[in-house]
Amino acid sequence: AQSVTQLDSHVSVSEGTPVLLRCNYSSSYSPSLFWYVQHPNKGLQLLLKYTSAATLVKGINGFEAEFKKSETSFHLTKPSAHMSDAAEYFCVYTGRRALTFGSGTRLQVQP
Amino acid sequence: EADIYQTPRYLVIGTGKKITLECSQTMGHDKMYWYQQDPGMELHLIHYSYGVNSTEKGDLSSESTVSRIRTEHFPLTLESARPSHTSQYLCASSDPYGTGDYEQYFGPGTRLTVT
Repeated sequence: AQSVTQLDSHVSVSEGTPVLLRCNYSSSYSPSLFWYVQHPNKGLQLLLKYTSAATLVKGINGFEAEFKKSETSFHLTKPSAHMSDAAEYFCVYTGRRALTFGSGTRLQVQP
Repeated sequence: EADIYQTPRYLVIGTGKKITLECSQTMGHDKMYWYQQDPGMELHLIHYSYGVNSTEKGDLSSESTVSRIRTEHFPLTLESARPSHTSQYLCASSDPYGTGDYEQYFGPGTRLTVT
């Protein structure tokens, strides 16, 4: 069965340091993968998407993710964290009927 | 900015009441979805629709029901609310024929508390 696994439920970084949020996928075919962000009391927002056009995907707010088939990974990175990046991040793949969400990673950014 | 709306944003209601959560989108999308999200947890699909008069149950069993009489409107109803229904409900829509990659647009959510 296809699925995504987010390896960390919480990540805490200092402002200005790099961010790494890890996601592994399991799929028998090349999936469409997404990262969504959810800020407190706000709706889900699409950060970036991979649809097999390019393995390195750039998204909004300086985030990017690299699709690595050999590692079945789609990790989300950002070179320098900002306080406004504190939120819940979901790794998502296109399932049979709709999106299937990972369990989420809560990113804390310390001043 | 996605044009998908949910009302109410917050609802506190007593056990046994009938409630309807509204969801509307102005993008003309055929596919619409309802997800349930408990605090700090992932989203689970509870209902989806491929178009008018099409509704299907999702991956997570839910006592709620949905209807799709118009393309833009996808309300969710609980006939008799219970404390176990306390959760956040997120509505989404997508246009797979337009984008081809199933990107979904989410509403702001309805946070339901049943006392």
